[in-house]
Amino acid sequence: AQTVTQSQPEMSVQEAETVTLSCTYDTSENNYYLFWYKQPPSRQMILVIRQEAYKQQNATENRFSVNFQKAAKSFSLKISDSQLGDTAMYFCAFMHSGSARQLTFGSGTQLTVLP
Amino acid sequence: GAGVSQTPSNKVTEKGKYVELRCDPISGHTALYWYRQSLGQGPEFLIYFQGTGAADDSGLPNDRFFAVRPEGSVSTLKIQRTERGDSAVYLCASSDSSYNEQFFGPGTRLTVL
Repeated sequence: AQTVTQSQPEMSVQEAETVTLSCTYDTSENNYYLFWYKQPPSRQMILVIRQEAYKQQNATENRFSVNFQKAAKSFSLKISDSQLGDTAMYFCAFMHSGSARQLTFGSGTQLTVLP
Repeated sequence: GAGVSQTPSNKVTEKGKYVELRCDPISGHTALYWYRQSLGQGPEFLIYFQGTGAADDSGLPNDRFFAVRPEGSVSTLKIQRTERGDSAVYLCASSDSSYNEQFFGPGTRLTVL
């Protein structure tokens, strides 16, 4: 079974600064996908960024980028130029590339952006 | 276009009662997922539908939980003889089977008194 670990329950960052959220996972699979989701108080889970394990290049979406270290099974999220609207719970998630398409989530990191 | 919708937004019930939670996926999405999110935790997988059939129900905690998707669109999660431990936010997600992103609904917060 896959496990996803987020060791930082809470983090804070000053507006316009950069912050990195950590995530590690455990799997015996070689092909899989990794995701970061954002969940604001509205409960709506929003996809921030995704990474295919077969791609060596780290994914980037505007201010959001990942550091994917496959051998170390590490998948951190970097948020640059933090904005007040980035305040939310962030979840790291894992998905098989095969027929089992459910997401396995970590326990989340509550990020607060301070003005 | 419209996203995933879930009704009701909140549901309060008494221990032992039966509840139904509804999910309307994005039109045309063949895959539908149910997750349960307890307070302070990440969502946990319950069941996955591909079309009308349950492709994987390994996450259902016990036989009090059941889900259907009779026409391959709307899905209903049914919980019998509710217990206080069933209190959680129940999230639904849908995806196009040819792409891996799951689009989530706003969830139903279930409170069992």
